[in-house]
Amino acid sequence: DIQMTQSPSSLSASVGDRVTITCRASQNIRSHLNWYHQKPGKAPNVLIYAASSLQSGVPSRFSGSGSGTDFTLTITSLQPEDSATYFCQQSYDLPYTFGQGTKLEIK
Amino acid sequence: EVQLVESGGGLAQPGGSLRLSCAASGFTISNYWMHWVRQVPGKGLVWVSRIKSDGSSTAYADSVKGRFTISRDNAKNTLYLQMNSLTAEDTAVYFCARDPDYLGYSDFDCWGQGTLVTVSS
Repeated sequence: DIQMTQSPSSLSASVGDRVTITCRASQNIRSHLNWYHQKPGKAPNVLIYAASSLQSGVPSRFSGSGSGTDFTLTITSLQPEDSATYFCQQSYDLPYTFGQGTKLEIK
Repeated sequence: EVQLVESGGGLAQPGGSLRLSCAASGFTISNYWMHWVRQVPGKGLVWVSRIKSDGSSTAYADSVKGRFTISRDNAKNTLYLQMNSLTAEDTAVYFCARDPDYLGYSDFDCWGQGTLVTVSS
C-alpha cells in the first residue's frame, strides 16, 4: 500500500495568515493527489483534486501544488471557517490511502 | 440538490451482519464510480471498497475482503455495503462517496453524512 505522511499533525494560526500543509507519498503517485477538509461530526469535503485543480465552489484562497511524491496545500488569508482537519489522499492505486490528518486551529 | 444519504447502521453482535444503504438524489449514480470509506470517531479516514459505474468491477481493502460486498442498484439509484462476520475492528462511521473519475483522476466529490456501525456484545 502507498503510505501518505502529512505534516504537521496540528497547527495554530491567526486570521489572515498563510498556512502550508505538506503530504508525502511513499512512492510516485504522479498528480493523483486530493485534499479534503473535515469539520467535527461532518463528512469530508474535497478542496483540491489532481494535485492542483480547485474543486468548484471552493474559495480561491485554497491552492495545491506538487507531483510525484511531494505535495502542498496552501491556504492564503486564513478565515475563521477554515478551522478543520485536513487530509490528503492518493488515488493513484488501490487501496486509496489517506494521510493521518492535520488539525488546523484558528487562534 | 446533489445528496447522498446512508442508512442501515447500528449495533451488531460480533460475527453478525449489517447491510448499509446509500441513497442518491440530484444525480444518477450510474454515471459514477462509488466508494465506501470508514472512520473511527476521532481518527483518520480509511478506504473500504469501490464499485465501477456499471457494477462490473469491485475492489476491497484487505481488512474487509471476503467479508464485505459492495453492490449497486442503478435503477433505485442506491449503493449498498453488505457486511458479514463483523468484528469490533469494524466499528466506525461509514461514509459513501461519489467518484467522477474525471479524465482518469479519482476524487470523492460528494459524501453522505455517515452512518455509525458499532460491533459489540
